[in-house]
Amino acid sequence: DGGITQSPKYLFRKEGQNVTLSCEQNLNHDAMYWYRQDPGQGLRLIYYSQIVNDFQKGDIAEGYSVSREKKESFPLTVTSAQKNPTAFYLCASTSTGSSYEQYFGPGTRLTVT
Amino acid sequence: GENVEQHPSTLSVQEGDSAVIKCTYSDSASNYFPWYKQELGKRPQLIIDIRSNVGEKKDQRIAVTLNKTAKHFSLHITETQPEDSAVYFCAAKKNTGFQKLVFGTGTRLLVSP
Repeated sequence: DGGITQSPKYLFRKEGQNVTLSCEQNLNHDAMYWYRQDPGQGLRLIYYSQIVNDFQKGDIAEGYSVSREKKESFPLTVTSAQKNPTAFYLCASTSTGSSYEQYFGPGTRLTVT
Repeated sequence: GENVEQHPSTLSVQEGDSAVIKCTYSDSASNYFPWYKQELGKRPQLIIDIRSNVGEKKDQRIAVTLNKTAKHFSLHITETQPEDSAVYFCAAKKNTGFQKLVFGTGTRLLVSP
């Protein structure tokens, strides 16, 4: 599981609370991504960051926020504005060099009740 | 922007049979096409990829073919085994500047003993 870590593996929250999901990588990758995956569904891009202190919205950014203060870290905050936050969240990273491979973290399963 | 379509959404085969999953892409400038395997509750992992300067790539029982003219690429798994059961995602991206991977919607492969 080395390379990209996400914590915690399972997270439970009450509706109306903000929650922050951690993502750390030691691959020296420049770009990092957050995806959301619902049961039986594909990968939907929430936010991505090419470099430190810069990030862009993906396809489903509403109700989420991110920061990229360090190259190694790209935390995702699920805010109370996100209508259906229960999902499996995957963080990923890629080098902007010659290797195109995108590496995924183990994921965090968030349940909001 | 790029759009990737993947078929079929589910595929059931008997152990030992071959399985083929097909993807089409819309942007003729895309030139990198990876395939990811995701087991239940786990992270997606790269199993094979191909760049547009080759038409086919093999790695033991898996192979990927690319038809640039028709803008489609396929994953072929021969001599399937129960451990091949998973969800498979195709993806595409361009190699100009920073580009995001665009994923297909996934194919659930079930290999029955």
